[in-house]
Amino acid sequence: GAVVSQHPSRVICKSGTSVKIECRSLDFQATTMFWYRQFPKQSLMLMATSNEGSKATYEQGVEKDKFLINHASLTLSTLTVTSAHPEDSSFYICSAARGGRARETQYFGPGTRLLVL
Amino acid sequence: LAKTTQPISMDSYEGQEVNITCSHNNIATNDYITWYQQFPSQGPRFIIQGYKTKVTNEVASLFIPADRKSSTLSLPRVSLSDTAVYYCLVGGSYQLTFGKGTKLSVIP
Repeated sequence: GAVVSQHPSRVICKSGTSVKIECRSLDFQATTMFWYRQFPKQSLMLMATSNEGSKATYEQGVEKDKFLINHASLTLSTLTVTSAHPEDSSFYICSAARGGRARETQYFGPGTRLLVL
Repeated sequence: LAKTTQPISMDSYEGQEVNITCSHNNIATNDYITWYQQFPSQGPRFIIQGYKTKVTNEVASLFIPADRKSSTLSLPRVSLSDTAVYYCLVGGSYQLTFGKGTKLSVIP
């Protein structure tokens, strides 16, 4: 149980275009989902936290107008990178948590490799 | 959020037991300790979680001393497939701050 998928697994796009990444919890309902970014040989950096039906909470330094997050259902969250530029090239990873408990485990997706040319 | 400190890298031979220690001196009363494993170009995978004393599952053991200012992940009889980066996270409801992790290299 607790499987999280991401689509696409990798994407290459031209500078200036927008890219949407989907994150799905396949066998559980995720009250809360998280989006991370990981640059080569670095650790994961939290970008934002989203709760189903409400606006995402972004970490300091993350542009909410550039990284649009939608958490429309308990099993799906999307991250849209708008007007992507080469510096947005990175490994994007989502995680999902059931929520509602004092102690919660995140279950991570397999990640999406974005390359902006 | 409690800051964590881990060794940057470790080497081990196949079949040996590996212990990775994480320091978290300012851990709060409500904080839990969670360890994740990450292979290159993959999302982290949950290994084990604990609050105090010892926790064991089919993959690893987690040792937490009484003061909870550190924790040790123990991997029994590692194999080449255990080569990965291991992260120690500390926090309350969600542990969201990843440190630099420990890169474990298993040598044949």
